[in-house]
Amino acid sequence: KNQVEQSPQSLIILEGKNCTLQCNYTVSPFSNLRWYKQDTGRGPVSLTIMTFSENTKSNGRYTATLDADTKQSSLHITASQLSDSASYICVVSASNNNDMRFGAGTRLTVKP
Amino acid sequence: KAGVTQTPRYLIKTRGQQVTLSCSPISGHRSVSWYQQTPGQGLQFLFEYFSETQRNKGNFPGRFSGRQFSNSRSEMNVSTLELGDSALYLCASRGQNTGELFFGEGSRLTVL
Repeated sequence: KNQVEQSPQSLIILEGKNCTLQCNYTVSPFSNLRWYKQDTGRGPVSLTIMTFSENTKSNGRYTATLDADTKQSSLHITASQLSDSASYICVVSASNNNDMRFGAGTRLTVKP
Repeated sequence: KAGVTQTPRYLIKTRGQQVTLSCSPISGHRSVSWYQQTPGQGLQFLFEYFSETQRNKGNFPGRFSGRQFSNSRSEMNVSTLELGDSALYLCASRGQNTGELFFGEGSRLTVL
């Protein structure tokens, strides 16, 4: 069964600190992996997209990595801000791009 | 370019009633998908429509149905509402070139 597992389920950090969120998947054949940020009560917004050949991609203070061999991805947030408090969802697409699998998300809380 | 628009944003129903939610995709997007999101469950795929045809369907009972119109607008209907149907219902339209999902703000349904 194609699955996407995210860890930790929730995380609390102090403002200014860095953190790393993990995503492991078994989706095959792999096409791409996306990280979405979802603020409470809002729709998810795309942060990054990574294909098989990409190892690292940055979007401001967000850096995503992908290891297609081990089927792992991480999202690193640098110098966290209060506005980073949100759920972060990992979405993996199979090669036909019609089969998307969603992780349950990591709930990040940044405290002052 | 306007984003994905969902209506209504909030609604309250009682058990046994039915509800219809509406979604207008980004102009030019022909694919619309629907998701149910409950606390701790993550995004659960309901169905996807493309050019007025249902292309994929998730594991939800027949009480959940949808349709897409010629202008790509989509509606989903839930009949005989149950307490467990209380959730945030998200709609997303997909860019044809990148396959990226663009989410609306969601419709928050509360069933009493």
